[in-house]
Amino acid sequence: EVQLVESGGGLVQPGGSLRLSCAASGFTFSDHFMDWVRQAPGKGLEWVGRTRNKANSYTTEYAASVKGRFTISRDDSKKSLYLQMNSLKTEDTAVYYCARIYSSSWYCDYWGQGTLVTVSS
Amino acid sequence: QLVLTQSPSASASLGASVKLTCTLSSGHSSYAIAWHQQQPEKGPRFLMNLNSDGSHRKGDGIPDRFSGSSSGAERYLTISSLQSEDEADYYCQTWDTGGVFGGGTKLTVL
Repeated sequence: EVQLVESGGGLVQPGGSLRLSCAASGFTFSDHFMDWVRQAPGKGLEWVGRTRNKANSYTTEYAASVKGRFTISRDDSKKSLYLQMNSLKTEDTAVYYCARIYSSSWYCDYWGQGTLVTVSS
Repeated sequence: QLVLTQSPSASASLGASVKLTCTLSSGHSSYAIAWHQQQPEKGPRFLMNLNSDGSHRKGDGIPDRFSGSSSGAERYLTISSLQSEDEADYYCQTWDTGGVFGGGTKLTVL
């Protein structure tokens, strides 16, 4: 059974940093691209970024709203995905989901349950 | 710029059918999309990938009541024999130079 479990959310002040983790199980993590997607309170889904697999040189892409502030990384040996968030703004407040990408395609086929990040003074 | 447009809300009666629409912006009518369901207080769940020709691949365990179809720039999700647990938000997703989500449709089952 595919499982994705996010952790690391919490309350952080504007300008602060936070690192989210996503633990994967039930599939060959190293084969898959992985996404981070967020959802502000009462709002829709917003794509944050993507990391590709080793065969695609671990390339990353980011939404314009987070580029230069957020960094996605992965540790295939630990089957884990990370999101380093720096220079946080109040508008980054959201539930953050990790999602698996189907077979080096482009769409998410499994999602985690999310972790809440609150940016507030 | 690629935009996905969804109606904010829809409603249908228990046991009936409903057809949700996701519209691709001009010049992008050949793009495939994915449909996701988000029940209240839960993470999203992948329903299906839907191509421009109407062919689709469903996620694991998705009932036959859920089907997809396409016409031009429109991508449809049809849910038949509506059940109470189908009351949820439904999002379409695609990929251009990055990930793109529609604004979502809140489905109410009456």
